[in-house]
Amino acid sequence: GAGVSQTPSNKVTEKGKYVELRCDPISGHTALYWYRQSLGQGPEFLIYFQGTGAADDSGLPNDRFFAVRPEGSVSTLKIQRTERGDSAVYLCASSADGNQPQHFGDGTRLSIL
Amino acid sequence: QKEVEQDPGPLSVPEGAIVSLNCTYSNSAFQYFMWYRQYSRKGPELLMYTYSSGNKEDGRFTAQVDKSSKYISLFIRDSQPSDSATYLCAMEGLIFGTGTRLQVFP
Repeated sequence: GAGVSQTPSNKVTEKGKYVELRCDPISGHTALYWYRQSLGQGPEFLIYFQGTGAADDSGLPNDRFFAVRPEGSVSTLKIQRTERGDSAVYLCASSADGNQPQHFGDGTRLSIL
Repeated sequence: QKEVEQDPGPLSVPEGAIVSLNCTYSNSAFQYFMWYRQYSRKGPELLMYTYSSGNKEDGRFTAQVDKSSKYISLFIRDSQPSDSATYLCAMEGLIFGTGTRLQVFP
């Protein structure tokens, strides 16, 4: 299994709770991306990491959303004080570097009740 | 105006048909254009990747970019039921269209 792995595959939680979504990129890929996809829509860019640093976080909708990649491999997307509008599929992708095509995981389906 | 416009479909065609999928975009600075295929409850899978204008062919798939018209196309020849999926265009790898749902019936 050399693809992008995302856990959990499904997450159901109550409004106001804190959630963490994990992404394991393809080994050796320095670039990592997070997207959010709502039903019937294309992926919406959230944040891009090159190595350990966030190279572009312009897509994060507000300060409840935060992502880290402390060792330049696994990344965690963190959402505080979840709202029903945060319900979506959260997709992670990685690429060999920022100029190469991205390879996506199958996403985490987040449902906020 | 959205940066990328894509007809959501659904587009329903018989097996063996030639399928044409299209996107328009507004930013003339875009240089990299991708097409992804997404099956239900799966992540997008890269199909075609082109830089600047021109055509690129890979098996039954042909991608075209017309930068003067800000218009990109994906053609699928000899379509198969297994091609039934949502097709997403993407600009610079970061800006996606809404996706076109394609159904190929036997």
